[in-house]
Amino acid sequence: EVQLVESGGGVVQPGGSLRLSCAASGFTFSSYWMHWVRQAPGKGLVWVSRINPDGSSTDYADSVKGRFIIFRDNAKKTLYLQMHSLGDEDTAVYYCARDPYGDFGGNYFDYWGQGTLLTVSS
Amino acid sequence: DIVLTQSPDFQSVTPKEKVTITCRASQSIRSSLHWYQQKPDQSPKLLIKYASQSISGVPSRFSGSGSGTDFTLTISTLEAEDAATYYCQQSNSLPLTFGGGTKVEIK
Repeated sequence: EVQLVESGGGVVQPGGSLRLSCAASGFTFSSYWMHWVRQAPGKGLVWVSRINPDGSSTDYADSVKGRFIIFRDNAKKTLYLQMHSLGDEDTAVYYCARDPYGDFGGNYFDYWGQGTLLTVSS
Repeated sequence: DIVLTQSPDFQSVTPKEKVTITCRASQSIRSSLHWYQQKPDQSPKLLIKYASQSISGVPSRFSGSGSGTDFTLTISTLEAEDAATYYCQQSNSLPLTFGGGTKVEIK
């Protein structure tokens, strides 16, 4: 059974940093593109970032480019999102999601974690 | 960026009725359109991929159609468990984008 379990959320002051983690199980993690998607309270879904299977290629939404870094540890089967210069607009539930494809990426999401809440507040 | 516009924003429907949700893209995305269901306090779930392809385990009352810029998600006979917000998402180009969502309420 595919499982994605996010952790690392919490309350951070504006300007602060935080690292989110997503532990994967039930599939060959190193073979799949992975994504982060976020959802502000009461709002819709917003794509944040993606990474290819070996971690050599990454992409970001403009809203987080230069502040967030996506990376992965395939030996630990874990996806990460390192976030810096956090602002109120980053308050959201952050989901990790699996891309169904391993070659070029399908750029959609067949499995999602339960999400972890980041609150940026002073 | 490709903008996806869903309509309606909200729909209140009686069980067994048919539900139709539309998603319009700001430019052609061929069939690179996917549908998700998100129930309250749950993570999204993939319902339909590539506009009309079914997903294993998803009830057959869910179907999708369309290509280019206009897409439709249809629930043939609504059940109480279908109360949720439905999102479309395009995979044609980065950044990946979602529609604003359609909330379906059971009368």
